[in-house]
Amino acid sequence: EPEVTQTPSHQVTQMGQEVILRCVPISNHLYFYWYRQILGQKVEFLVSFYNNEISEKSEIFDDQFSVERPDGSNFTLKIRSTKLEDSAMYFCASSEAGGGETQYFGPGTRLLVL
Amino acid sequence: GDSVTQMEGPVTLSEEAFLTINCTYTATGYPSLFWYVQYPGEGLQLLLKATKADDKGSNKGFEATYRKETTSFHLEKGSVQVSDSAVYFCALLPRGAQKLVFGQGTRLTINP
Repeated sequence: EPEVTQTPSHQVTQMGQEVILRCVPISNHLYFYWYRQILGQKVEFLVSFYNNEISEKSEIFDDQFSVERPDGSNFTLKIRSTKLEDSAMYFCASSEAGGGETQYFGPGTRLLVL
Repeated sequence: GDSVTQMEGPVTLSEEAFLTINCTYTATGYPSLFWYVQYPGEGLQLLLKATKADDKGSNKGFEATYRKETTSFHLEKGSVQVSDSAVYFCALLPRGAQKLVFGQGTRLTINP
C-alpha cells in the first residue's frame, strides 16, 4: 500500500539554525500538507500546497517557514531560523484531491531545538 | 470557529472490554469526520471516516456514526485487544476546505 514517507525521523538543531524537513507524498496525490504537534498539545495545521503554490496557511506559518516541491516527488518544509518553540513533531500529509478528501499522514519528524 | 472536543484521557481498560471514546464537534455546514490512530513510535493512521449525517465508518472492529443532531462521532469497539493501545484522534474537515481540525487525542491503554 502506498504511503507518505518523511526524513529524517529525528532532528536536533541549535536555535537560529535552518532546518529542512523532507516528505515524499503518495505518488498520484496532488495536495500536500504540513501539520505539527507540540508535545502534549493538539495536532495543528500549518499549510496546504497545490499546483506549486500555497493554497492555505495558518497564522503559525509566518515568514520563518516556507514550503517547496523541488522535484516531482519531494515536498519540503524549511524553517529559516529555528526557535525553541519550534520543537515539535512535524507531520506531512497528502490527498488525492482537495475539498474534503482523506489526508494520509507520514510517520513524522521529531524536531528538537536547543 | 471549527473545533473538536474529545474525551479526556488516559483511558485504561482490560482486554475484551467495551470501548467508547467520545467526540463532539462544532462546525458550520457539514464537515467530514475522521478518527486517526497513532501507535507508539508511529505516525497518524486513518482508522475510519464518515462524510455525511448517519454514515457509519468502520475498520478493524471499530465503528463511529456521524450524528448531526448531537454533533458527535463517538468511537466504539465491542472487545478491545492489547494491540489497540494507542492515541486516538478525532478530526473534522470542513466541506470544501483543506485544513483538518483535530481534537486533543485520547491515550488508550489495554491491559492483558
